[in-house]
Amino acid sequence: GEDVEQSLFLSVREGDSSVINCTYTDSSSTYLYWYKQEPGAGLQLLTYIFSNMDMKQDQRLTVLLNKKDKHLSLRIADTQTGDSAIYFCAESIGSNYQLIWGAGTKLIIKP
Amino acid sequence: KAGVTQTPRYLIKTRGQQVTLSCSPISGHRSVSWYQQTPGQGLQFLFEYFSETQRNKGNFPGRFSGRQFSNSRSEMNVSTLELGDSALYLCASSLEPTSPNYGYTFGSGTRLTVV
Repeated sequence: GEDVEQSLFLSVREGDSSVINCTYTDSSSTYLYWYKQEPGAGLQLLTYIFSNMDMKQDQRLTVLLNKKDKHLSLRIADTQTGDSAIYFCAESIGSNYQLIWGAGTKLIIKP
Repeated sequence: KAGVTQTPRYLIKTRGQQVTLSCSPISGHRSVSWYQQTPGQGLQFLFEYFSETQRNKGNFPGRFSGRQFSNSRSEMNVSTLELGDSALYLCASSLEPTSPNYGYTFGSGTRLTVV
């Protein structure tokens, strides 16, 4: 069945770039999303990319999509302590745009 | 503009009891989805409602049910609670189901603990 995989943890130094990776199995996905969850809060949509694009940039965020390898990444430039959170990758599939979620990557910022 | 409101924020129930959780979507949003989030299983889709009709359903037992009212507010119910039902239950709303470019807006969740 459909599956989305992410590493569980990523540790980076403040000021460095963070790259969070995600792989998915369903090649018919239409949109791919990145959500952020801060402690005690719900998920917040960070950015999304349509499946016919290979890159999208939004301020400090860069999304790269490699459709051939079914690989999605989120790059956060100049990582700050406020970026500490769990980042979820999700893909929408089918005519109902059902969302399939990854398990989330916890981003840890070292001073 | 008010966000997605979930009540209650925290709940403690005993095995065998039943529970009802409530979600008020953003004004104007007509689609409401429910998710169960646990450390071991991640984010699991429960169901989605649009215009008072269940549109999608995840792989959960029949003990989990939901409904949506004419004002788009939604409730989910879990009967005969089990210890494994302890989780954060998240509600998400969107303008309509086929508006993927808008994404979903999530509430802060209801933390359910079954003892």
